[in-house]
Amino acid sequence: GDSVTQMEGPVTLSEEAFLTINCTYTATGYPSLFWYVQYPGEGLQLLLKATKADDKGSNKGFEATYRKETTSFHLEKGSVQVSDSAVYFCALTLSGGSYIPTFGRGTSLIVHP
Amino acid sequence: ETGVTQTPRHLVMGMTNKKSLKCEQHLGHNAMYWYKQSAKKPLELMFVYSLEERVENNSVPSRFSPECPNSSHLFLHLHTLQPEDSALYLCASSQDVAGWSGEQYFGPGTRLTVT
Repeated sequence: GDSVTQMEGPVTLSEEAFLTINCTYTATGYPSLFWYVQYPGEGLQLLLKATKADDKGSNKGFEATYRKETTSFHLEKGSVQVSDSAVYFCALTLSGGSYIPTFGRGTSLIVHP
Repeated sequence: ETGVTQTPRHLVMGMTNKKSLKCEQHLGHNAMYWYKQSAKKPLELMFVYSLEERVENNSVPSRFSPECPNSSHLFLHLHTLQPEDSALYLCASSQDVAGWSGEQYFGPGTRLTVT
């Protein structure tokens, strides 16, 4: 079946450090890929998405590139801030197929001043 | 503000109580979802509704009873819960359940504690 694997957290960084959160997927078709973020005490919010191979999603300084050859969608940010501390979820849906998103387990990011 | 609201934000209930969670979306979406989020566990999809019809029931115990009176409102009725049902319950909506790119819009959740 379809699945999403994220690196285990927590990821702990100092402010202005470079961030990478790895995400790989297994899918039977051609998925759309997403990153959601959950700030403390809130629900999930869509951070960025990519719907086909080689697309790059970007938002708020975060980027992720849809790599079909490595089945990956790693999240990156060049300089993190304390306010980026949250849990990040990678997810996929199959375009034209299953409507049920498959989520990864989430990766907690803690940024220290 | 995502356009999806949930009430109450916090709920403490005993195992013999009956309570309801409410979700409302102001986005004109056709599909609504209930998720359960427990510490140290993956996000669990509970129910999916499309145009007020239930299209998915993910082996959820009968002590959880969903209701979708229209495409803007979704309820989760709770009765005789167990302590292990304590979790954050998230509501989400999306444009449709098929033929879409897949993004969902989540409410802030209801933090449920069963004593």
